[in-house]
Amino acid sequence: DIQMTQSPSSLSASVGDRVTITCRASQSISRWLAWYQQKPGKAPKFLIYRASSLESGVPSRFSGNGSETEFTLTISSLQPDDFATYYCQQYSAYAYTFGQGTKVDIK
Amino acid sequence: QVQLLESGGGVVQPGRSLRLSCAASGFTFRGYGMHWVRQAPGKGLEWVAVISHDGDEKHYGDSVRGRFTISRDNSKNTLSLQMNSLKPEDTAIYYCAKDVGWQGHCDYWGQGTLVAVSS
Repeated sequence: DIQMTQSPSSLSASVGDRVTITCRASQSISRWLAWYQQKPGKAPKFLIYRASSLESGVPSRFSGNGSETEFTLTISSLQPDDFATYYCQQYSAYAYTFGQGTKVDIK
Repeated sequence: QVQLLESGGGVVQPGRSLRLSCAASGFTFRGYGMHWVRQAPGKGLEWVAVISHDGDEKHYGDSVRGRFTISRDNSKNTLSLQMNSLKPEDTAIYYCAKDVGWQGHCDYWGQGTLVAVSS
C-alpha cells in the first residue's frame, strides 16, 4: 500500500496566519490527491482534488500544490472557522490511504 | 440535497458479525461509486472499501479484506457493509461517502454509525 505521511501532526496558529501542511507519499501518485477538513464530532468535508483543484464553495484562501510524492495544503489567512484537523488522501492506487492528519488549533 | 444516513451500528462481541446500511437520497445513486471510511476513537481516517456504480467492481483495505463485503442495491438506493469475524480493532465510527463519480475521492459524507467490538 501507498503510505501517506503528513507533517506536522499538529500546529498552533493565530487568526490571519499563513499555514502550510505537507503530505508525502511513499511512491509517486502523480496528482491523485485530495484534502479534507474535519471538525470534532463531524464528518469530513471535501476541500481539494487532483492536488490543486478547489471544490466548489470552498474559500479561495485554501490552496493545494504538488505532484508525485510531495504535496502541500496552504491556508493563506487563517480564519476562526479553519481550526480543525486536515487529512490528505491518495487515490492513485488501491487500497486508497489517508495521512494521519494535522490538527490546527488556536495559539 | 445529498443525504447519506448510516444505520446498523452497535456493540458486538469479537468474532461476531454486523451489517451496516447507508440510505442515500438527493442524487442519482446508481450513477456513482460509493465508499466506506472508518475512524477509530480519537484516531485518523481509514479507508475501508469502495464499490462501483453498478456493483461490478469492489476494492478493500488490507485490514478488512476477506472479512468485510461491500454491496449495493440500486433499486433501493442503499449501500451496505457486511462485517464478519469482527475484532476489537474494528471499533470505529463508520462513514458512508459518495464518490464524485468513479474517481476515488468523496464529496459527500454521512454522519457515521458507531461500531464497538467488545466482550
